[in-house]
Amino acid sequence: AQKVTQAQTEISVVEKEDVTLDCVYETRDTTYYLFWYKQPPSGELVFLIRRNSFDEQNEISGRYSWNFQKSTSSFNFTITASQVVDSAVYFCALSEVRGAAGNKLTFGGGTRVLVKP
Amino acid sequence: SQTIHQWPATLVQPVGSPLSLECTVEGTSNPNLYWYRQAAGRGLQLLFYSVGIGQISSEVPQNLSASRPQDRQFILSSKKLLLSDSGFYLCAWSVGGARQPQHFGDGTRLSIL
Repeated sequence: AQKVTQAQTEISVVEKEDVTLDCVYETRDTTYYLFWYKQPPSGELVFLIRRNSFDEQNEISGRYSWNFQKSTSSFNFTITASQVVDSAVYFCALSEVRGAAGNKLTFGGGTRVLVKP
Repeated sequence: SQTIHQWPATLVQPVGSPLSLECTVEGTSNPNLYWYRQAAGRGLQLLFYSVGIGQISSEVPQNLSASRPQDRQFILSSKKLLLSDSGFYLCAWSVGGARQPQHFGDGTRLSIL
């Protein structure tokens, strides 16, 4: 069975500090996909990024960056120079490859990020 | 562009009453549809998913049921609500296989009294 663990339940920082969110996953699949979602206080989940299991190139998008390391089964997420608007719960998720039968996601428990002014 | 609508946004129901939450998707055909529940301060639990009309898969045994009467309509129901059914319910859609992200509605906050 697949499993996603986000060991940090809550992180509190002061604005402009960097924040790194940890995500560790377990799967028996050789091909899989990893996702990060953001859930602001309003409640909806917003898709941030997808990473393929066969592509370990790390990515930077604005203030966001992602570090995927297959050897340690980790997919960490960093917010650089955090802002108050970054306050949200962040979820890491793992997609089970089911062919044409949709994409079943396994979510981690989420990490609440609180950015103080 | 694709949009997902979920209603109502909030709902307060007494124990033992029925439930019907509705989710519709616009701008795409034959989407995969999902219902999740999020307990307060917790992660998301997949309740049901559907890959086509009338095709429903249940992930956990529970007091709820789901139906997909039309291609882009997904309904979550219960005949008699329990206190433990309280939570935040999210509908999501995706198209294609495992590499495609799911896109979520705004959610329904359900409180059982």
